[in-house]
Amino acid sequence: AQSVTQPDIHITVSEGASLELRCNYSYGATPYLFWYVQSPGQGLQLLLKYFSGDTLVQGIKGFEAEFKRSQSSFNLRKPSVHWSDAAEYFCAVGAGGTSYGKLTFGQGTILTVHP
Amino acid sequence: SQTIHQWPATLVQPVGSPLSLECTVEGTSNPNLYWYRQAAGRGLQLLFYSVGIGQISSEVPQNLSASRPQDRQFILSSKKLLLSDSGFYLCAWSVWGGRDGYTFGSGTRLTVV
Repeated sequence: AQSVTQPDIHITVSEGASLELRCNYSYGATPYLFWYVQSPGQGLQLLLKYFSGDTLVQGIKGFEAEFKRSQSSFNLRKPSVHWSDAAEYFCAVGAGGTSYGKLTFGQGTILTVHP
Repeated sequence: SQTIHQWPATLVQPVGSPLSLECTVEGTSNPNLYWYRQAAGRGLQLLFYSVGIGQISSEVPQNLSASRPQDRQFILSSKKLLLSDSGFYLCAWSVWGGRDGYTFGSGTRLTVV
């Protein structure tokens, strides 16, 4: 069974600073990997995804993530954070090759942005 | 384009009352459908998924049930709500295999009092 760990429950950064949110996964084969963002009281929005090819993937809102198989990681990065990036971020891993495409989510990382 | 609708946005229900939350998808056919519950600080828990009409799989034993009467309609129900059923419920859809990830609805905040 797949699993996801987001080691940081809460991260605070200053506006304009760089950001890295950590994600470690456990899965026996090549996983599908995703990052989602959730604003309070809202659904989740897909930021980016990886399932093959270039290990550095670009997403919306200036985010990128790098798949590192040797470290079982898929960390999310942004070079300069904006106040509007304050939200909760979820990493997810999917099991390829099944009909239902089950995603397992991490516990989330809450991002606070100071002006 | 595909859209997903989920309603109501908020709901306050007394303990022991029934529940029906509805989710519909537009602009696609034969989607995989999912119900998740999100409790504060506990991430997302998959409750049910469906790969076709009338096909429901449950991930965890609980007081809830799900049905898929039409291809693009997914309903979450309970006959008698418990306090522990309170939470934020999210419906989602994906294509077969889930490789493109999920598209989520805007969620329903359920408070059982």
